[in-house]
Amino acid sequence: SQTIHQWPATLVQPVGSPLSLECTVEGTSNPNLYWYRQAAGRGLQLLFYSVGIGQISSEVPQNLSASRPQDRQFILSSKKLLLSDSGFYLCAWSVSGTLMFFGPGTRLTVL
Amino acid sequence: DQQVKQNSPSLSVQEGRISILNCDYTNSMFDYFLWYKKYPAEGPTFLISISSIKDKNEDGRFTVFLNKSAKHLSLHIVPSQPGDSAVYFCAARGGIQGAQKLVFGQGTRLTINP
Repeated sequence: SQTIHQWPATLVQPVGSPLSLECTVEGTSNPNLYWYRQAAGRGLQLLFYSVGIGQISSEVPQNLSASRPQDRQFILSSKKLLLSDSGFYLCAWSVSGTLMFFGPGTRLTVL
Repeated sequence: DQQVKQNSPSLSVQEGRISILNCDYTNSMFDYFLWYKKYPAEGPTFLISISSIKDKNEDGRFTVFLNKSAKHLSLHIVPSQPGDSAVYFCAARGGIQGAQKLVFGQGTRLTINP
């Protein structure tokens, strides 16, 4: 069966510090991978998606970047965090495109 | 531009009654719609879906209705149970070929009262 892991579960970082969130998927090959963010009181906003190794599409201009160094690994990064980067970050995967499975999420608080 | 809208941020329903969550969309190219359920500090979990070629899909206590002419879908939960209390997200698919993306609404927080 397929599983998706995200870490860390929670993170508190000062403004201006770097960020690295990792997501890995098990039990499937060549998945589409996604990073979503849920800001306080808001819906799920798609940040990045990837259809293969090294292929990244950015949905909205922002202070973040993504990379996919391996087939089942997706990384969300920032060189300098802003207060507005606080939120709940969700990694997701999909193969058929008709259904998306989400990881447990990372709660990021930028102070 | 919010392509998928859930205009009710919250809904309170008595246990045993019917819960109706609504969702509107603007993009006529959307071909597949899904509902996800989310508990605090967890990732969303898939609940039920419907293809644009259908107008109804039922799974146990959950039924999703699609009205394409009105660009509206709804989720009915009957009877509502305390464990149904969560945030419900409506999502629509209609992305670039090879990288299907889901566009989500803002979510509706459902509270089931005993």
